[in-house]
Amino acid sequence: QLQLQESGPGLVKPSETLSLTCTVSGDSISSSSNHWGWIRQPPGKGLEWIGNIFYSGTTYYNPSLKSRVTMTVDTSKNQFSLKLSSVTAADTALYYCARLSWRFFDYWGQGALLTVSS
Amino acid sequence: QSALTQPASVSGSPGQSITISCTGTSSDVGGYNYVSWYRQSPGKAPKLMIFEVRNRPSGVSPRFSGSKSGSTASLTISGLQAEDEADFYCSSYTSSNTYVFGTGTKVTVL
Repeated sequence: QLQLQESGPGLVKPSETLSLTCTVSGDSISSSSNHWGWIRQPPGKGLEWIGNIFYSGTTYYNPSLKSRVTMTVDTSKNQFSLKLSSVTAADTALYYCARLSWRFFDYWGQGALLTVSS
Repeated sequence: QSALTQPASVSGSPGQSITISCTGTSSDVGGYNYVSWYRQSPGKAPKLMIFEVRNRPSGVSPRFSGSKSGSTASLTISGLQAEDEADFYCSSYTSSNTYVFGTGTKVTVL
């Protein structure tokens, strides 16, 4: 059974860089034709797509976040990661990682809450 | 890219059918049959309910069905049950090779 698990610091100071990692089990990132994505949800609000990455390193980002987002993949650890720079309180959210199977997200992690506060 | 437009809330009595709309543009919903729907119960991660407009993943009840007309997609829940209370989101692939989610709809069973 495919499982995804987000991990991160929980608290980030304004203007710093947020870093999150998603560990995948039950499927190999490098042997799969799937992409791997990040989606976030501010408290009490809706879902926002952040971006996707393929195991080769090809990335696609939300235009509204593109200047601050970097996604990477580590096939040796079966993980992919998200970095979001220059964070503000508006970046406080539950961050989900998910598998993008063709054109839909079929498996999701449980989410990691990131709070931006000094 | 702008979020797809969904009604904030939809309600119905047990046994009834309800429909949630998801309106986009010709660059997303209207341009591709890549609309998916997700259910999110409180404190839980979203769950895929419909993919590619009308297909149900294994294990999803046939009470859930999807359709599309022009730039508006719809999710219909038939035989509404108390357990269907949740937030529902649509999503679409876009012409920019990106993805966009809907604004979300809260379903209430009266």
